[in-house]
Amino acid sequence: GAVVSQHPSWVICKSGTSVKIECRSLDFQATTMFWYRQFPKQSLMLMATSNEGSKATYEQGVEKDKFLINHASLTLSTLTVTSAHPEDSSFYICSASEGAIEQYFGPGTRLTVT
Amino acid sequence: RKEVEQDPGPFNVPEGATVAFNCTYSNSASQSFFWYRQDCRKEPKLLMSVYSSGNEDGRFTAQLNRASQYISLLIRDSKLSDSATYLCVVGHNDMRFGAGTRLTVKP
Repeated sequence: GAVVSQHPSWVICKSGTSVKIECRSLDFQATTMFWYRQFPKQSLMLMATSNEGSKATYEQGVEKDKFLINHASLTLSTLTVTSAHPEDSSFYICSASEGAIEQYFGPGTRLTVT
Repeated sequence: RKEVEQDPGPFNVPEGATVAFNCTYSNSASQSFFWYRQDCRKEPKLLMSVYSSGNEDGRFTAQLNRASQYISLLIRDSKLSDSATYLCVVGHNDMRFGAGTRLTVKP
């Protein structure tokens, strides 16, 4: 099946710093990538949808200036959490789609902001 | 009203039991439906798609009722390894996840 990787899998950063998370589709071209956030014991919440070469579409309530998304190629999307704060600590998961509805999920990145 | 709502759970069942989960969705224009399984601290993994005619995969049966806007998942002869959180996912232009139902199968 299709494989999606994320890096890093786990990161701790200090409040006020920025963190970049990479999402890669390893064996297919992802025309669309999705970024989700999941707090403990809660469901995945879609943050934004990005199509290769165009600006990401953010969900209501998600600050586009704080969560910068770049989808520069068909195999790579990045999410940068700028000026991270403890409340941004969460599990960030990306998924990728090659055009069909089905999405393939990355293993997730656990962010802890101290 | 949430876009996708699931049984709150948790469900604690003995091995061999049959357990059913329901999920309702609010967008009548939704076109695709899935059940995902998520283990603790892991990413969701597709369990099965849900078709209008219903579908079965081994011990798992999924059904869709468009008129009432709900989908269901039935697990027969449950195994210890079935313990996980089951997420109902409904797609239109994007995918919306339910909060998940936690299942624990006990020996």
